Amino acid sequence: DAKTTQPPSMDCAEGRAANLPCNHSTISGNEYVYWYRQIHSQGPQYIIHGLKNNETNEMASLIITEDRKSSTLILPHATLRDTAVYYCIVTRYSGAGSYQLTFGKGTKLSVIP
Amino acid sequence: DSGVTQTPKHLITATGQRVTLRCSPRSGDLSVYWYQQSLDQGLQFLIQYYNGEERAKGNILERFSAQQFPDLHSELNLSSLELGDSALYFCASSVGPEQFFGPGTRLTVL
Repeated sequence: DAKTTQPPSMDCAEGRAANLPCNHSTISGNEYVYWYRQIHSQGPQYIIHGLKNNETNEMASLIITEDRKSSTLILPHATLRDTAVYYCIVTRYSGAGSYQLTFGKGTKLSVIP
Repeated sequence: DSGVTQTPKHLITATGQRVTLRCSPRSGDLSVYWYQQSLDQGLQFLIQYYNGEERAKGNILERFSAQQFPDLHSELNLSSLELGDSALYFCASSVGPEQFFGPGTRLTVL
């Protein structure tokens, strides 16, 4: 799986958009970009994933550059509950719920009142 | 609540002992994954089972083993425990591209 690079920490004011960048310059054509987050010591939580196109769900938006070498996770209106470690993961999905997640150090997002 | 349950929540044991961690996946999820999170190593994938069969192995030590039963619940067995095995152990399940994680079992080896 391709390696990812994320800033170790970021701050965001409550109510503002949080933009979390991720570099994955060695991504292969069949690898997906996944984002998970972990709040304190809880189990990681799936946020969103994508292959080429931009994706949006009720939690966030994922913007993938045309060359697929980087992406940005956008939390449109950050709240204090969004304070967490955010992991960008690149992996191959082989269907039937079968893929492995390789977690890096992630980005510690602090939402400030 | 992800729908994945893990027992026990906390486990304290001594070096050299053996423990079993249990995971019940979400209803209908055929894949079960085990992860270890320690302070120095971060979150690491250990092993995956799919419908009772081992599908993929990660950084799992030989002292550790797992299995998935016909009712799809899974157990992770840790033996000859060392101080360095103290960690949070997470189980996740999936049927599609999203993995749902349980609350974890915190293992402390004294």
